[in-house]
Amino acid sequence: AQTVTQSQPEMSVQEAETVTLSCTYDTSESDYYLFWYKQPPSRQMILVIRQEAYKQQNATENRFSVNFQKAAKSFSLKISDSQLGDAAMYFCAYRSLYNNNDMRFGAGTRLTVKP
Amino acid sequence: DAGVTQSPTHLIKTRGQQVTLRCSPKSGHDTVSWYQQALGQGPQFIFQYYEEEERQRGNFPDRFSGHQYPNYSSELNVNALLLGDSALYLCASSFRALAGVFSYNEQFFGPGTRLTVL
Repeated sequence: AQTVTQSQPEMSVQEAETVTLSCTYDTSESDYYLFWYKQPPSRQMILVIRQEAYKQQNATENRFSVNFQKAAKSFSLKISDSQLGDAAMYFCAYRSLYNNNDMRFGAGTRLTVKP
Repeated sequence: DAGVTQSPTHLIKTRGQQVTLRCSPKSGHDTVSWYQQALGQGPQFIFQYYEEEERQRGNFPDRFSGHQYPNYSSELNVNALLLGDSALYLCASSFRALAGVFSYNEQFFGPGTRLTVL
């Protein structure tokens, strides 16, 4: 079974600085998707960034980028120029390419942004 | 364009009672998935409905059941509530009809229903 591990329960960053959130996963599949979701106090999960495992190039969305290391099964999220609005819970998630039904989430990392 | 909506926002029940949570998918979506998010944890997949049938189920007991209506809205029912059922219940919708083995269909999440069991 696929598992997702986020080893940092809490992280803190100064406004305008850069922070990296870590995620590792375990799977025997070769094709899959990885995601980072943001969950603010409003509780609604918002997709931040998506990575297809068959793509070697790391995904980037504005200030958000990932470092995808397939062999190491590592998928970290880098947030550049952190803003107060980035404060939230961040969840790493895995989904099989062949099974769109079941998404596995990590336990989350709470990010605090200090002004 | 309305996103995924869920009702009610909050709910308080006592042990042994039954509860029904409701979800309306994003416009144009035909598939609804339900997740349970316990406090301090990530969401866990309960089940998914497509074409009014349960298509896949996570590791949840039969006390958890669901339904999907012809308009694609969905309900999650939980019987014989336990204290451990207290959680945020998230609904997510997607458009499955275009999904193939290698296609990607993004899930859009609703704001959730906070269930407290006393």
